[in-house]
Amino acid sequence: QSALTQPRSVSGSPGHSVTISCTGTSSDVGGYDLVSWYQQHPGKAPKLIIYDVGKRPSGVPDRFSGSKSGDTASLTISGLQAEDETDYYCCSYGGSHNWVFGGGTRLTVL
Amino acid sequence: QVQLQESDPGLVKPAETLSLICTVSGHSITLTNYYWGWIRQPPGKGLEWIGTIYHGGITYFNPSLKSRITMSMDTSKNQFSLKLTSVTAADTAVYYCARPYGTGWVSSGNLGYWGQGTLAIVSS
Repeated sequence: QSALTQPRSVSGSPGHSVTISCTGTSSDVGGYDLVSWYQQHPGKAPKLIIYDVGKRPSGVPDRFSGSKSGDTASLTISGLQAEDETDYYCCSYGGSHNWVFGGGTRLTVL
Repeated sequence: QVQLQESDPGLVKPAETLSLICTVSGHSITLTNYYWGWIRQPPGKGLEWIGTIYHGGITYFNPSLKSRITMSMDTSKNQFSLKLTSVTAADTAVYYCARPYGTGWVSSGNLGYWGQGTLAIVSS
C-alpha cells in the first residue's frame, strides 16, 4: 500500500483559513469514512485533531474541521494562529486491517 | 488518564533484532475492545503504521514489515512489545506506542494517546 498524498507545504496568514488535502484511492480514503488527522510539533508525539473524517476529540478547537470528497480528504484550519505552524499528517484505513499515513504537510503561518 | 512509555532500545547493530516494550499506566491492556499500536517515524520523515495488537494477542501488521515483526502482550506487567528482526539503517526511527481514542477496530487508527517516542538507531 502506498502512502497517502499530501502537499509538502501550505501557508496562510493569521486569522485566515487554510486547507490541507490528503489524496488516496478508492481502496483507502475513498472506501471508508475512517480518516484521521494529526498535528505534530517538533520533537513531540503526534496529536489527534480529527477522526472519522470530521469528528473532533474533546479539547480540540472547532477551528479545526475535516471533510472528504471521493478519494480526497481535507483538513481546514480557520482563524489561523501562530501556534498552528507545524506538521500535519492524515491517516486512513486501507482495508485488510491496515492503516496508511500521508507523507505530511508543513504549515507556515505568514 | 492513560499513559504510555516506550523502552529505550539503545543502539542496534544491522541484522540484529530491535526490541521495544510499551508500559501502560492508567488503563488495563486486558480490557476488551481496545487496540494497541506501534508507529514509527524516521528522522525528518513521515509517520508509518507498524502494526496493532488486540486483547488475546491478535495482531495486524503493515504488509511491508510483516515478515519481520512480532508483537506480544504481557498482561501481568501491563505491557505490550514489538520485535523487529533483521534491521537495517532504514529502520532507524523514533518508535511510538499508542492507544486509540475510542474502542473497536474502526477506532484503531484514531490514535489519541501516545508515548513520548524512543529513538532506535541501527548502526554498527
